[in-house]
Amino acid sequence: GQNIDQPTEMTATEGAIVQINCTYQTSGFNGLFWYQQHAGEAPTFLSYNVLDGLEEKGRFSSFLSRSKGYSYLLLKELQMKDSASYLCAVRDQDDKIIFGKGTRLHILP
Amino acid sequence: KAGVTQTPRYLIKTRGQQVTLSCSPISGHRSVSWYQQTPGQGLQFLFEYFSETQRNKGNFPGRFSGRQFSNSRSEMNVSTLELGDSALYLCASSLPGQANYGYTFGSGTRLTVV
Repeated sequence: GQNIDQPTEMTATEGAIVQINCTYQTSGFNGLFWYQQHAGEAPTFLSYNVLDGLEEKGRFSSFLSRSKGYSYLLLKELQMKDSASYLCAVRDQDDKIIFGKGTRLHILP
Repeated sequence: KAGVTQTPRYLIKTRGQQVTLSCSPISGHRSVSWYQQTPGQGLQFLFEYFSETQRNKGNFPGRFSGRQFSNSRSEMNVSTLELGDSALYLCASSLPGQANYGYTFGSGTRLTVV
């Protein structure tokens, strides 16, 4: 079956750095996405990785290792507005995008 | 450019009833996917439509169905509603062929079954 695992909750301090890990086992692999979802809102696209390595976009970076079925999202210089759920998702061989259950990130002042 | 529009935003239905939810994708997007989001299970894939054809289907019972019209608008229907169908239903549109584009989600329809 398809399985995407990420921690349920994490807590970090404003101004710090946090890494949210994601491991996956899916039917094929055609790319990995990270989405941000604030409470009561729709998920919004953060990043996409299809090749191994690090993709940097401002304060957010995403890393992928296809051989290990592993990705992480790195958030730097945390701000209170970064308090949200972060969803890891994989596009499988049928082009479906399968989501993990999300990691709820709490930012403390 | 208008985003993905879902109607209605909120809905309360009684067990046994049926419901139809609507989704209008971003102009030019021909792929529409539907997800059910609950606190315990996260986002679960329901189905995907492209050019009026169902391209993928998740592991939901046959009570859940959908369709797509020639203008790419999509509807999903849930018949014989159960309490466990209470959830946020999200629709997302995308441009097939643009692999890194991912989805743009609508704001969702929150369905409560009582």
